[in-house]
Amino acid sequence: AQRVTQPEKLLSVFKGAPVELKCNYSYSGSPELFWYVQYSRQRLQLLLRHISRESIKGFTADLNKGETSFHLKKPFAQEEDSAMYYCALSGLGAAGNKLTFGGGTRVLVKP
Amino acid sequence: DAGVTQSPTHLIKTRGQQVTLRCSPKSGHDTVSWYQQALGQGPQFIFQYYEEEERQRGNFPDRFSGHQFPNYSSELNVNALLLGDSALYLCASSPTGGNGEQFFGPGTRLTVL
Repeated sequence: AQRVTQPEKLLSVFKGAPVELKCNYSYSGSPELFWYVQYSRQRLQLLLRHISRESIKGFTADLNKGETSFHLKKPFAQEEDSAMYYCALSGLGAAGNKLTFGGGTRVLVKP
Repeated sequence: DAGVTQSPTHLIKTRGQQVTLRCSPKSGHDTVSWYQQALGQGPQFIFQYYEEEERQRGNFPDRFSGHQFPNYSSELNVNALLLGDSALYLCASSPTGGNGEQFFGPGTRLTVL
């Protein structure tokens, strides 16, 4: 069975402070990890995926297979980063690409 | 391209009734997945359709069924509605051979009274 856990329901930080959203997973095969974001009144959209190893809007995430984690980090949070963030997992190369989501973390960046 | 579209936006039903939700995928996408998102929770996978067949299914009862049409659009049907079926239903599409990204629609908010 595949499972994604996001231990923090809410993260509140001041503008310019670092922010880290935790994500832990369990999966028996080779996982593909994603971070999806939902801004206010917008639809769910992809923020980044571990395979691309890129930084999007200043966010980075490293897959740590030893700790089965995929934490999302940004060194200097901005007010526009306030949103709902979901960590998601899919089976790398598996037929179909169903996503298993965590419960989500709401980020609030205060001015 | 309007992206993934879903209809209706909102729906109110009573227990025991049946409901049909509709989804049109993003242009060029042939795979459609459906998710249920209860309040305060992450989306939960219901099933996925590809080539008009159900390819994968999550842990949902047979009351939840679907269909994919030749133009790749899809329907989600729920029979014998329960209060617990109240949720936001999300449709997502992706292309064969894509990079794994799924594109989500705005969702249909179903309320069961």
